[in-house]
Amino acid sequence: DGGITQSPKYLFRKEGQNVTLSCEQNLNHDAMYWYRQDPGQGLRLIYYSQIVNDFQKGDIAEGYSVSREKKESFPLTVTSAQKNPTAFYLCASSIDTGRYSYNEQFFGPGTRLTVL
Amino acid sequence: SQQGEEDPQALSIQEGENATMNCSYKTSINNLQWYRQNSGRGLVHLILIRSNEREKHSGRLRVTLDTSKKSSSLLITASRAADTASYFCATDDSNSGYALNFGKGTSLLVTP
Repeated sequence: DGGITQSPKYLFRKEGQNVTLSCEQNLNHDAMYWYRQDPGQGLRLIYYSQIVNDFQKGDIAEGYSVSREKKESFPLTVTSAQKNPTAFYLCASSIDTGRYSYNEQFFGPGTRLTVL
Repeated sequence: SQQGEEDPQALSIQEGENATMNCSYKTSINNLQWYRQNSGRGLVHLILIRSNEREKHSGRLRVTLDTSKKSSSLLITASRAADTASYFCATDDSNSGYALNFGKGTSLLVTP
């Protein structure tokens, strides 16, 4: 089945620890995105990548890092520098809109991170 | 940056009634999309309307777009309990790899 997966579903972290959230897609999409969602809020963009080995900061990149070594994978690391990391994290992918006129995004099921 | 803003924040209706949600945005767009999110889950794409379109239908969904007023509406007809979810409008942002700008969403509750 084609789709986008995230793991783990739930993640608990102690203060001061770095944690990495996994995001994998087999849709052959060029673009991938990480969003953060807080209760009752919309999604805010953390990082995005339009091509392998390249990524850009979004609106709230401080305290986060990413890598894009493979087209299908876009892991997110929440570092100890992120002051309030407890949130729901969503990964998404889309076809490179440079070649297409639409940019529907496909979302993973999310990872809920809780800092203890 | 959040551009879309949905109204109302919450909506409660009974099964069989129609539900209307509105979205306003601030800058020019290429297209506007509506997504649905069940509690604790990822978002699911519902419908995309391009800036040169005024109305679009998909099953029980009807979306309108008024670029002069920078607003869109999502109508769900003959609602069902399974339609209970949060609904978000999203606009594209050509400055950030066509990442989407989401509003805070409308929480819809459909009671039997």
